[in-house]
Parts: sequence; structure tokens; C-alpha cells
Amino acid sequence: NAGVMQNPRHLVRRRGQEARLRCSPMKGHSHVYWYRQLPEEGLKFMVYLQKENIIDESGMPKERFSAEFPKEGPSILRIQQVVRGDSAAYFCASSPGPGREQYFGPGTRLTVT
Amino acid sequence: TQLLEQSPQFLSIQEGENLTVYCNSSSVFSSLQWYRQEPGEGPVLLVTVVTGGEVKKLKRLTFQFGDARKDSSLHITAAQPGDTGLYLCAGYNAGNNRKLIWGLGTSLAVNP
Repeated sequence: NAGVMQNPRHLVRRRGQEARLRCSPMKGHSHVYWYRQLPEEGLKFMVYLQKENIIDESGMPKERFSAEFPKEGPSILRIQQVVRGDSAAYFCASSPGPGREQYFGPGTRLTVT
Repeated sequence: TQLLEQSPQFLSIQEGENLTVYCNSSSVFSSLQWYRQEPGEGPVLLVTVVTGGEVKKLKRLTFQFGDARKDSSLHITAAQPGDTGLYLCAGYNAGNNRKLIWGLGTSLAVNP
């Protein structure tokens, strides 16, 4: 039973480019969460999605960031026109339902040069 | 606003010692989860507690949920170097199951 998968594990982008981070939830899970983690800081909630719907995006910056979870395929976190401050580890988690335990992927480490 | 406070923030002990880390809040949680995270990896779920006063054991780890569901503790017996990592607690506030509230973690180092 495969766990949560994220790719790529490492991503390097120049300032102004776009970054696309992918997350495939655990089998049977239809709820996906994205988090950002900076060194020496805690996990910061960004967005919560269910298939084809954004349930809560209160933690996501209003500009340049977007997320989707289509009916088919992985969830995508998209960052347009990246800046150095976007450099961080981005984690995806999935759960079988709201209010249930969340299982995390290994993360994508984004470096903006 | 940090709704879950973890203590201590850092802990360095010798192999074989016992330790307890705490996760406290003034809010009531419908459930609380403990995770361990190692450098360069995602958090790994250790346990979920949902009932006030609940105690769960996972080998040498004992987790307790407070009677009022506002706090939790993790006790490790005879710590081993493999227990080294960042221990995070997270919970769903009662009445809001949309997102987990996270503590900042306890960074544990167990020295051989």
C-alpha cells in the first residue's frame, strides 16, 4: 500500500520562473493538504482540497500561489514568478476524510536562485 | 496565535534515560495526533488520541490525552539513539475539522 508520493523531491528554479509540485495521496484518500516548512519554523498550513474542490485556502498567499486536485491525477501546487522567499520544504498530506489523521509525503524542497 | 505549545523546545539526553514532552493548549481538541519528523523527511504519524484520559502505548512510547482534551504528553522509556528527531503534536479544534493546529515541536537528541 503505497504512501503519499510527492515529486520532484528537489526543485531548483530561478527567480521569475514557475514551480509545479505534485502530490499523489494514499490509495482511498480523497482529502489533500499542503503545508510549507521553513528551517527552525513549524509547519504552516496552506490549503485543503477535496477532489475538484478547494475546501480551505486560508493559509495560501493570495498572489502567485494556486492549488488544484482534479478528478483524475495528482494534486498540484503551483507557484508563479517565484521569489527567493519561496524557498522552503513543501509537504503534502492526505486523509480519508475531514477531521481524520493525516499522512505525509516526503516533501519537495524548493530552492529559488 | 500559537494554540498548541510544546515543551521543552529542545532536549538532549543519554541513551537509556526516560523523558516526557508536553503539548498544552487552552482550547479543547476533538482529537490530537503525534508525529515524528527526521531531517529531510516528512512527519510520520505515531498515534491519534480522541478520548479524554486516553492512554496509548507504542512499544517504549506512551501517549496520554488530558481528561479535558486540552493537553497531551508523550513519555519515552529507555530512550535510544533511533528516537532522535522532532516530535510534533497537532490537533483538530472542537468544532473545526478542516485543518490541524500544530505545535512547533520538541527536538530530541539521544546520545549513545
